[in-house]
Amino acid sequence: KQEVTQIPAALSVPEGENLVLNCSFTDSAIYNLQWFRQDPGKGLTSLLLIQSSQREQTSGRLNASLDKSSGRSTLYIAASQPGDSATYLCAVRGGYQKVTFGIGTKLQVIP
Amino acid sequence: DTEVTQTPKHLVMGMTNKKSLKCEQHMGHRAMYWYKQKAKKPPELMFVYSYEKLSINESVPSRFSPECPNSSLLNLHLHALQPEDSALYLCASSQLNNWANTGELFFGEGSRLTVL
Repeated sequence: KQEVTQIPAALSVPEGENLVLNCSFTDSAIYNLQWFRQDPGKGLTSLLLIQSSQREQTSGRLNASLDKSSGRSTLYIAASQPGDSATYLCAVRGGYQKVTFGIGTKLQVIP
Repeated sequence: DTEVTQTPKHLVMGMTNKKSLKCEQHMGHRAMYWYKQKAKKPPELMFVYSYEKLSINESVPSRFSPECPNSSLLNLHLHALQPEDSALYLCASSQLNNWANTGELFFGEGSRLTVL
């Protein structure tokens, strides 16, 4: 059974700082990995999708990497802004094409 | 257009009521999903429809009844719910390639359900 862990559970940083969110998964036989952000009481917004054959994806200030063999992904956020405050979830699509979510990292960027 | 639209945004119902949640997407996606999310927890999969056919039911109680009338619409019919069913219900969609369900997931804003 796939298990997805996100560390840290919560993070508070001053505005402008670069930061890294971590995601690890137990079964490396995956199709892809997707990073989402979720604002309180809202739906999930897709940030980046990395296919299993890819090493990284970039979108604006966001960069996600994938090391399938070690079961790890990182989400790098450059020059953080207060508007980046949200919960960030990592989701892995693995066996039987099932998606398994991590519990998320709650990020607070302080002005 | 990468939008998944859910209605209503908020719903309050008694345990004897019958209500429905609706979801619509116009991205041409042929896989549609219902997820349930409790506070401070990740989304939990309930149902998956592939090409308008129910392909996955994660042992969801029969008081939740999904329906996919066409490729753009997904409904969740609710009847005789319990207070513990109060949660955020999320709809999602993704592309299918010859039944391979590995596409990027797009979520709606959710329907916040309160059962009294």
